[in-house]
Amino acid sequence: SYELTQPPSVSVSPGQTARISCSGHPLANQYVYWYQHESGQAPLLLMYKDNVRPSGIPERFSGSRSGTTVTLTITGVQAEDEADYYCQSADTSIVSNWVFGGGTKLTVL
Amino acid sequence: EVQLVESGGGLVQPGRSLRLSCVASGFKFDDYAMHWVRQVPGKGLEWVSGISWNSDRIDYVDSVKGRFIISRDNAKNSLYLQMNSLRADDTASYYCARVYSYYYGMDVWGRGTTVTVSS
Repeated sequence: SYELTQPPSVSVSPGQTARISCSGHPLANQYVYWYQHESGQAPLLLMYKDNVRPSGIPERFSGSRSGTTVTLTITGVQAEDEADYYCQSADTSIVSNWVFGGGTKLTVL
Repeated sequence: EVQLVESGGGLVQPGRSLRLSCVASGFKFDDYAMHWVRQVPGKGLEWVSGISWNSDRIDYVDSVKGRFIISRDNAKNSLYLQMNSLRADDTASYYCARVYSYYYGMDVWGRGTTVTVSS
């Protein structure tokens, strides 16, 4: 197994830009997915294949990659974006080794 | 509406067993691999187990290997997690999620069911 590293917390004021990084050596050859999770709710897929938004996800969410670091960017943060954010990666198996990062708590000041 | 609904959680003593269920609706269940993911209180998400659409491929996180068994019944649109020899550190909310392809991630999740292992 391997680890994905995220900052434990990020704080921004409404309207500002939040950036949440996810790093790990295996990311050189694997896609990253991003999830938003609020306590008591179902996690929500925000991004797949590093930077593709599923239908219904606002355009203010975007993804980018630089080597083995993938970044989720939230442009024009809104109060409703306050949540935990997790990156995830997997090898090409559809059933094995779906590893999550430790999660980042986004606080909207 | 595409939906996953988990059930079966509860309070159980250490060493005992519990079976979680996840019922799918609104989509063709046997087109998807299915997974269990858990969240220990105050901690992050942890992948627990995955099963392919026809059950020919199964895998587990090391901490549950030999104790948990994932299975599915496509005729009933249902996913299961048989949890044996439960330990206090298995206390968590358990979520089921679907995966169509490695490329698309876990695109639909349930709201979870809570398992508490305590004497």
